[in-house]
Amino acid sequence: EVQLVESGGGLIQPGRSLRLSCAASGFTFDDYGMHWVRQAPGKGLEWVSGISWNSGRIDYADSVKGRFTISRDNAKNSLYLQMNSLRVEDMALYYCVKERIVSGYYTLDYWGQGTLVTVSS
Amino acid sequence: DIQMTQSPSSLSASVGDTVTITCRASQTISSFLNWYQHKPGKAPKLLIYTASILQSGVPSRFSGSGSGTDFTLTISSLQPEDFAIYYCQQSYSSPWTFGQGTKVDIK
Repeated sequence: EVQLVESGGGLIQPGRSLRLSCAASGFTFDDYGMHWVRQAPGKGLEWVSGISWNSGRIDYADSVKGRFTISRDNAKNSLYLQMNSLRVEDMALYYCVKERIVSGYYTLDYWGQGTLVTVSS
Repeated sequence: DIQMTQSPSSLSASVGDTVTITCRASQTISSFLNWYQHKPGKAPKLLIYTASILQSGVPSRFSGSGSGTDFTLTISSLQPEDFAIYYCQQSYSSPWTFGQGTKVDIK
């Protein structure tokens, strides 16, 4: 059974940094790309960042580019999101999501339960 | 960036109804279109990928169609457990983008 367990969220002041982690199990982690998707309070889903299986391809949403860094440790079956210069608008539930590629088409097939980041002074 | 626009933003329906949600991309995305169901307090769930392929374990009352810029999600014979928010999402080009969501609630 695929499991994705996020951690590292919490209350943080604007301008500070936070690192999210995602522990993956139930699949061969280093075969798959991984992503972070967030949902701000009362808002819809927003894709944040994605990383390929070997970290060779990394992408970011414009809203976080230059402030957030995605990374992975395949030996530890873990995904990370380093968030710097946090803003009030970064406050959201952050989901760790597994990617699947079928015949060249990409999808997000398993989602964690999320970790809540609250940015407030 | 590719903009995804869903309609309607919300709808009310009864158990047994057929519901259709549309999603329009601001440029062609071939069939790089996925649909997700999201219930409060739960993780989003993949329903449909590549515009029309049903994810394993998803009931056959869900179906998807379309290609290029216009897509639809249809739920036939709506069940109580189907009341949720539905999102389309394009994976054609980065940054991946979601529609704003369509809330399906009970009439």
